[in-house]
Amino acid sequence: AQTVTQSQPEMSVQEAETVTLSCTYDTSESDYYLFWYKQPPSRQMILVIRQEAYKQQNATENRFSVNFQKAAKSFSLKISDSQLGDAAMYFCAYRSNAGKSTFGDGTTLTVKP
Amino acid sequence: DADVTQTPRNRITKTGKRIMLECSQTKGHDRMYWYRQDPGLGLRLIYYSFDVKDINKGEISDGYSVSRQAQAKFSLSLESAIPNQTALYFCATSQTGQSYEQYFGPGTRLTVT
Repeated sequence: AQTVTQSQPEMSVQEAETVTLSCTYDTSESDYYLFWYKQPPSRQMILVIRQEAYKQQNATENRFSVNFQKAAKSFSLKISDSQLGDAAMYFCAYRSNAGKSTFGDGTTLTVKP
Repeated sequence: DADVTQTPRNRITKTGKRIMLECSQTKGHDRMYWYRQDPGLGLRLIYYSFDVKDINKGEISDGYSVSRQAQAKFSLSLESAIPNQTALYFCATSQTGQSYEQYFGPGTRLTVT
């Protein structure tokens, strides 16, 4: 079974600074998908960014980018120019090719003004 | 209008009661999921369905049952609620062949007293 580990229960960043959230996973599959979701206090799950394992190029969405290291089974999220609205819990998720997802336990991000 | 809706949004019930959580989607997706989130933890898969005639257990299905009444509707039932089923419940959908990205409903907060 796949496992997803987020080793940082809490992180904080100064507004306008950059922060990196860590995620590692364990799998024996070669084809899969990885996601970062944001959960603000409203509790809605919002997709931030996704990465297909067969793609070597790291995904980027505006201020959000990932560092995908397939051999190391690492998938970190970098948030640049942090904004107050980025404060939330962030979940890393692994999606197998069969369509089942496994989530990490989350990292709570605080943005300081 | 929201693409994935859940009813009720909040519910308080007593131990031993039967309760049903409902999920509807207008995205036309074939796959639907039920997850549970406990405080400080990530989402755990309860049941999933890849089409109307396909129902599968997730990692924590004990004490739960589901019904896929139509492609757009997927209900979760607790036959006899117990306090440790107090949690936030999410429904999600995805479409086969579209990078398996999941779309989440707003969540149902269930409290069992």
